[in-house]
Amino acid sequence: DGGITQSPKYLFRKEGQNVTLSCEQNLNHDAMYWYRQDPGQGLRLIYYSQIVNDFQKGDIAEGYSVSREKKESFPLTVTSAQKNPTAFYLCASTPKTATLGYGYTFGSGTRLTVV
Amino acid sequence: EDQVTQSPEALRLQEGESSSLNCSYTVSGLRGLFWYRQDPGKGPEFLFTLYSAGEEKEKERLKATLTKKESFLHITAPKPEDSATYLCAVEAYGQNFVFGPGTRLSVLP
Repeated sequence: DGGITQSPKYLFRKEGQNVTLSCEQNLNHDAMYWYRQDPGQGLRLIYYSQIVNDFQKGDIAEGYSVSREKKESFPLTVTSAQKNPTAFYLCASTPKTATLGYGYTFGSGTRLTVV
Repeated sequence: EDQVTQSPEALRLQEGESSSLNCSYTVSGLRGLFWYRQDPGKGPEFLFTLYSAGEEKEKERLKATLTKKESFLHITAPKPEDSATYLCAVEAYGQNFVFGPGTRLSVLP
């Protein structure tokens, strides 16, 4: 079955460490997104990519970095510059950015905790 | 600035007790309004897309409606398996999605 795979499910980060969250999709979707979810808040956009080798900052990009070397993959690195990284991270995709009303397909998420 | 609010924050229902969740939005040029269901520790699952005021969509015990300023998710005779967080999101032309904070629904047997 097609879908989005996020790994790992749980991740622990020490102070000053960079960590990378994996997101892979086999839906042949063009656009991919990273969201952060905190209790009591709506999903907030970190980065998004509409095409391979191109990506844009979202609303809360500081302290994060991404790459899009393949259509299927959109890894997110949480750097040591991100001072409050503990959150639930969601990866999503859509067929193309202009698809009316399609909505997102989401992965199952990665819960990152600072220890 | 585009905004989405949802109420109530949390809702407890007895099995079979119907109710509604509200999603209010302010956006210029609505392209679509989306409802998602999210179970604890999992990613959101798509439920409905609504495009214009007056539109309604149904799926099992859920019915979504849309006006120019808000959307309602009506739950008829809910069952415990309907317990989840329900997220609302809006898409405006040329903009990324804006998500509401969600309503946490608990249905007690």
